[in-house]
Amino acid sequence: SQELEQSPQSLIVQEGKNLTINCTSSKTLYGLYWYKQKYGEGLIFLMMLQKGGEEKSHEKITAKLDEKKQQSSLHITASQPSHAGIYLCGAALNAGGTSYGKLTFGQGTILTVHP
Amino acid sequence: EAQVTQNPRYLITVTGKKLTVTCSQNMNHEYMSWYRQDPGLGLRQIYYSMNVEVTDKGDVPEGYKVSRKEKRNFPLILESPSPNQTSLYFCASSFHQGYGYTFGSGTRLTVV
Repeated sequence: SQELEQSPQSLIVQEGKNLTINCTSSKTLYGLYWYKQKYGEGLIFLMMLQKGGEEKSHEKITAKLDEKKQQSSLHITASQPSHAGIYLCGAALNAGGTSYGKLTFGQGTILTVHP
Repeated sequence: EAQVTQNPRYLITVTGKKLTVTCSQNMNHEYMSWYRQDPGLGLRQIYYSMNVEVTDKGDVPEGYKVSRKEKRNFPLILESPSPNQTSLYFCASSFHQGYGYTFGSGTRLTVV
């Protein structure tokens, strides 16, 4: 089984709708990263969370890390076709992981936004 | 422009023929890493490096080698490629913990 579980695996929404993607681990998340990928292309860094309860926003995207540091959510408000792509969460799953650059990724969530 | 450059972008090769995928970054980053991405399996780390001459195995290192002789370069070597190494490969670099990795554009490798 995956060490990082993302849900849902795919999501189809109408433009203007809000949506949430979740990233869950049975281990403590030492550094949680959200990326966006266009199919077959490189990953674009969105934001990074480290502290329990931390929340960050960029434009219409908000990411949160829960207090226990085992779950993160990515929320998109008023989705647009430009938000379409694959969203991946990546995390260091041990305390030394962030120091050593060792990251584990979830399987990704494919987001489709219909105009 | 700050970037991670991988070459080649596309490569078709035959089983057993040694190949190298190059990766270079111009941001003076300490950390560099190689990942492979496969449908249904997601992004998996092959090797990573914390600095020059310091490397360690990721989750799927079998069949791969790396070296970090210079800070900017982190080549991925397949000594004897096999069809199960057909995949999309990404190189990435990061300045330090707490910073996101910058990813290259990817190398699509097919081994026949």
